[in-house]
Amino acid sequence: SQKIEQNSEALNIQEGKTATLTCNYTNYSPAYLQWYRQDPGRGPVFLLLIRENEKEKRKERLKVTFDTTLKQSLFHITASQPADSATYLCAPDTGGFKTIFGAGTRLFVKA
Amino acid sequence: DTGVSQNPRHKITKRGQNVTFRCDPISEHNRLYWYRQTLGQGPEFLTYFQNEAQLEKSRLLSDRFSAERPKGSFSTLEIQRTEQGDSAMYLCASRRTDRGNTEAFFGQGTRLTVV
Repeated sequence: SQKIEQNSEALNIQEGKTATLTCNYTNYSPAYLQWYRQDPGRGPVFLLLIRENEKEKRKERLKVTFDTTLKQSLFHITASQPADSATYLCAPDTGGFKTIFGAGTRLFVKA
Repeated sequence: DTGVSQNPRHKITKRGQNVTFRCDPISEHNRLYWYRQTLGQGPEFLTYFQNEAQLEKSRLLSDRFSAERPKGSFSTLEIQRTEQGDSAMYLCASRRTDRGNTEAFFGQGTRLTVV
């Protein structure tokens, strides 16, 4: 069955450092992959979408890579700030515009 | 229209009661999704609609759960004979699919507590 894996342990980093979050998927080949941010008690908010023919996508301090051979996406936040503390969700496309999410990785950025 | 709206934001109910949640999507969005989320987990897919047609219902969803989207506008999610295990955040999302792979927009969710 299709499976999405994200680091279940929280990631703690110091302000100003780069945070790197991992998303691995198995048993399917998504045409694109999305990353969302979720704050406690709120719905997820879309951040970036990367397609299978794109190796890398950037938006301000965010960078996403997509390796279809490794079946992995990496999500980077450079020059991290305490306001970046949140849960980050990975959502590889499952076909038919049905969005399925990983469990998410909690990021804590300390000042 | 500023986004996806969900009502109520919080619901406390006694075990065995029925509850109904409402979702108003962004008006031009043809797809509407329902998810359930428990603490420390990602949103779990429940069901989704293309306009008024329900396209898929998760196998994890028991027969106590039903969803409708009459006229392809707002949607309701009903849970009959609630159980304590139904306590969770219920999220609604919408998207449009006529412009390729666009993102889903989420509401703030309805937090259900079954006592």
